[in-house]
Amino acid sequence: NAGVTQTPKFQVLKTGQSMTLQCAQDMNHNSMYWYRQDPGMGLRLIYYSASEGTTDKGEVPNGYNVSRLNKREFSLRLESAAPSQTSVYFCASSDGADQETQYFGPGTRLLVL
Amino acid sequence: QKEVEQNSGPLSVPEGAIASLNCTYSDRVSQSFFWYRQYSGKSPELIMSIYSNGDKEDGRFTAQLNKASQYVSLLIRDSQPSDSATYLCAVVPWSNDMRFGAGTRLTVKP
Repeated sequence: NAGVTQTPKFQVLKTGQSMTLQCAQDMNHNSMYWYRQDPGMGLRLIYYSASEGTTDKGEVPNGYNVSRLNKREFSLRLESAAPSQTSVYFCASSDGADQETQYFGPGTRLLVL
Repeated sequence: QKEVEQNSGPLSVPEGAIASLNCTYSDRVSQSFFWYRQYSGKSPELIMSIYSNGDKEDGRFTAQLNKASQYVSLLIRDSQPSDSATYLCAVVPWSNDMRFGAGTRLTVKP
């Protein structure tokens, strides 16, 4: 079991460029999440998907879009990157039977110049 | 007021001592509470979950919950240098989205 995987591990973008962060889990979990982590701010929820075919906004959704491609995969898209989106992005998943225990991927470090 | 507050630290304790990490939360109807450990440059990993008032022990770790005071803590007994990390408190409020504190950085000195 790989658990939760994320690609890429590191990315540098110029302001205005777009990119998609990929996340996949092999634990057959129903729920998946995207967080960003900034110094002194803790983890903040961007979007989540409670089940295949559904997505909902979290605490900081502006500037992002998501797609729950299937049960395994949940992608995060930045349409027009801004320096304020420089952060570490974590994907997580949880089981429907115990939704609140979340398992995290290794993270993607994004730098927007 | 932040929904979940933690002292940012750094908290420094000698090896073998008890480390005490504290967290307060603002939403009175919160029902689920978690402690995650995050090593530098790594992803968070779950250490403990607690749902009822009182203490919950798992090895060297004890989580304590007081819903009336809206307070949750984590005690680490016999602290080891390998416990040096940032500890994140997480709470599930009425909105059902997990909210994290900013974390407390713990250093255990040999």
